[in-house]
Amino acid sequence: DGGITQSPKYLFRKEGQNVTLSCEQNLNHDAMYWYRQDPGQGLRLIYYSQIVNDFQKGDIAEGYSVSREKKESFPLTVTSAQKNPTAFYLCASSTPRTGDNTGELFFGEGSRLTVL
Amino acid sequence: LAKTTQPISMDSYEGQEVNITCSHNNIATNDYITWYQQFPSQGPRFIIQGYKTKVTNEVASLFIPADRKSSTLSLPRVSLSDTAVYYCLVGPNYGGATNKLIFGTGTLLAVQP
Repeated sequence: DGGITQSPKYLFRKEGQNVTLSCEQNLNHDAMYWYRQDPGQGLRLIYYSQIVNDFQKGDIAEGYSVSREKKESFPLTVTSAQKNPTAFYLCASSTPRTGDNTGELFFGEGSRLTVL
Repeated sequence: LAKTTQPISMDSYEGQEVNITCSHNNIATNDYITWYQQFPSQGPRFIIQGYKTKVTNEVASLFIPADRKSSTLSLPRVSLSDTAVYYCLVGPNYGGATNKLIFGTGTLLAVQP
């Protein structure tokens, strides 16, 4: 089935360590996104990529890095510079709205990162 | 981009129709209205999208008045499994504009037996 796969689902990290969250999609979507969600809050955009080898900062990019070497993959690295990294991270993809296509966001199941 | 306002929470009982209203007074001409549903510890899921008047699919209906300054998501005969957070988003979702869509805190719908 087509969809977005995020891994790992749960991750624990010690302070000062970098960690990379995986996001893979087989929907053939050009655009991919990373969001962060804190308890009781909405989603905040970290980074997005409209096309391979290109990505842009979102609203809360500080302390994060991404790469987009392949259309299917958009990994997110949470660096030690991120002051409060404990959160639920969501990856999404989309295509532009054209004709009958709504341009909706397709989300993965999320990765929950806890910093000890 | 248009800011949205929706109730923080709503309660309902199984079998009832639930209407969640979203205000978006400064909606732009090329903005669409999209609703997503999110269960705990899962990613949001697309429910419905509209531009004007009424849109209906197998899950919900979306009512949009002529001035488009608000919209109402209607869920017919809710069940316990409809307990979730519902987000109203307004904005253009063509080209590179999807990144501009803002997920607010949404409306937590609690359905009771």
